[in-house]
Amino acid sequence: DTGVSQDPRHKITKRGQNVTFRCDPISEHNRLYWYRQTLGQGPEFLTYFQNEAQLEKSRLLSDRFSAERPKGSFSTLEIQRTEQGDSAMYLCASSPRTAQETQYFGPGTRLLVL
Amino acid sequence: SQQGEEDPQALSIQEGENATMNCSYKTSINNLQWYRQNSGRGLVHLILIRSNEREKHSGRLRVTLDTSKKSSSLLITASRAADTASYFCATGAAGNKLTFGGGTRVLVKP
Repeated sequence: DTGVSQDPRHKITKRGQNVTFRCDPISEHNRLYWYRQTLGQGPEFLTYFQNEAQLEKSRLLSDRFSAERPKGSFSTLEIQRTEQGDSAMYLCASSPRTAQETQYFGPGTRLLVL
Repeated sequence: SQQGEEDPQALSIQEGENATMNCSYKTSINNLQWYRQNSGRGLVHLILIRSNEREKHSGRLRVTLDTSKKSSSLLITASRAADTASYFCATGAAGNKLTFGGGTRVLVKP
């Protein structure tokens, strides 16, 4: 069983650097979601895709953040000019066409900005 | 912003006891879901209850939903040490994006 995978699992970077995370959803899941979770809090929605179309973006997604899903399969989330406030766990989830209410989460990428 | 608020924020019980946690939310929903998260890991879907349902069971889990009070509860019966985790409620609306609460941290002592 291949679940949602995320790469890297951990990333330490210096303030001002760019970082890119990758998410591979469960095969044939047409929807893909990105969330951010800070310590002690619940995940917060960032954006989601249906196939390759980005359908919604949260106000949390500043212009330093960009997400893509070019072929409707894997997705990347890039953060430019990272700030210490970007330190968080970035979670990816996917859902199938036939049961879109249920989301399957990956293990997350933990980002630390020094 | 967080839609739901879980109560209590933390819960410590002995193995074999029941654990109950509550979730309140603010806006209309299509469904409400509960997820579990072990320390530093991803979330695992536990159960979904639709807005027209009042109660649902899955194994040792029982979920209730009261849309008039905008609240839900999750009961874990006969708890085990492996149930130690954070539990989050999440409301689903249009587009199926989820809005999570702050979570209840449950510690089950052996």
